[in-house]
Amino acid sequence: GQNIDQPTEMTATEGAIVQINCTYQTSGFNGLFWYQQHAGEAPTFLSYNVLDGLEEKGRFSSFLSRSKGYSYLLLKELQMKDSASYLCAVRDLSGGSYIPTFGRGTSLIVHP
Amino acid sequence: DVKVTQSSRYLVKRTGEKVFLECVQDMDHENMFWYRQDPGLGLRLIYFSYDVKMKEKGDIPEGYSVSREKKERFSLILESASTNQTSMYLCASSLDRSNTGELFFGEGSRLTVL
Repeated sequence: GQNIDQPTEMTATEGAIVQINCTYQTSGFNGLFWYQQHAGEAPTFLSYNVLDGLEEKGRFSSFLSRSKGYSYLLLKELQMKDSASYLCAVRDLSGGSYIPTFGRGTSLIVHP
Repeated sequence: DVKVTQSSRYLVKRTGEKVFLECVQDMDHENMFWYRQDPGLGLRLIYFSYDVKMKEKGDIPEGYSVSREKKERFSLILESASTNQTSMYLCASSLDRSNTGELFFGEGSRLTVL
């Protein structure tokens, strides 16, 4: 299986930039996902990385380094509505399963 | 837009009761999943299905069973509910094995077992 590690909680100021890190250990890496989950709501897909580099999507960017087993989600121009949990999930095909495994999530609190 | 609908948002059951959690998706997705989400533990996979009448165990299948009689519907069954099954249950679907694997989640069913 995978060891997926991300910080439990982060705080940041409205208008600032925050970087949420995710590290993982796999033997058959096949993609990394980021999901956003507001309190009491369903997780929603943010990004997918399978190759090294940065994927930008508006205020959100996701970076992957496969050699380092490392990803980050970068949120720019933070807004209060960005307060949510951010879930990192990794797909590892080594066990024959294509199902992504989730980390424990990072709770981001944005304050004025 | 994909819609994944879970039949009950909140349920309260007693220890030993049989519990059915229903999930329906409307986009003809092949794959369906049941997760439970607990504070500090994140999302853990209970069962998944990649075709009608097919099911596979996830990471924590003990105490649960599933049924997929129709493509759009995936049911989670707790044969005899216990207090340690108090949790948020999330159903999800994805198109098929060949795509990126983006999951579409339902709103969740919060189960309390007394």
